[in-house]
Amino acid sequence: ETGVTQSPTHLIKTRGQQVTLRCSSQSGHNTVSWYQQALGQGPQFIFQYYREEENGRGNFPPRFSGLQFPNYSSELNVNALELDDSALYLCASSPDPGRTEAFFGQGTRLTVV
Amino acid sequence: AQSVAQPEDQVNVAEGNPLTVKCTYSVSGNPYLFWYVQYPNRGLQFLLKYITGDNLVKGSYGFEAEFNKSQTSFHLKKPSALVSDSALYFCAVRPDSSASKIIFGSGTRLSIRP
Repeated sequence: ETGVTQSPTHLIKTRGQQVTLRCSSQSGHNTVSWYQQALGQGPQFIFQYYREEENGRGNFPPRFSGLQFPNYSSELNVNALELDDSALYLCASSPDPGRTEAFFGQGTRLTVV
Repeated sequence: AQSVAQPEDQVNVAEGNPLTVKCTYSVSGNPYLFWYVQYPNRGLQFLLKYITGDNLVKGSYGFEAEFNKSQTSFHLKKPSALVSDSALYFCAVRPDSSASKIIFGSGTRLSIRP
């Protein structure tokens, strides 16, 4: 077990709706990253938060946004859902932004219909 | 562009035989290299990493990986495969210590037959 938990495990939403995915990191891990893994592909970096501020962003539109809280929890928000947003969303935490490997949660499977 | 390539979608090996899962990368400088494994309906589990030092790194479950800077490769190996090793394996690279993102390959499905 990595100590990183995500909720919910599965979610079905309708195109155009908004969704919030949640992640609880290991205690002491002040860095959290979010990844999107489409079916049959490797994870793609969405963004990273370090000490509650965005610390890097991948090639995702602004409708993907995030928050990190002092209690080691974080959120990924996606507005105006599109069918292509259907994927496994992975949260990963680490003690610091750059040096160590990241510890992943089990993911949230989002289906947009 | 920075990228990671896993040229084999699937690798099939008989139990007890050695296995190799290939990975090459295209990143300038001195990247950090990782292997992760993913079981069905699960997140990614860290196997091993290379940051600096000895080119052969050992990780979890008897896996090891060999870093070759001249060939920009980081192949995953195991001397004797187990049926329980069957899973999806991802090679990944963090371009440098200041980079926030990890770049993943497309994955290789490892199938170990009894």
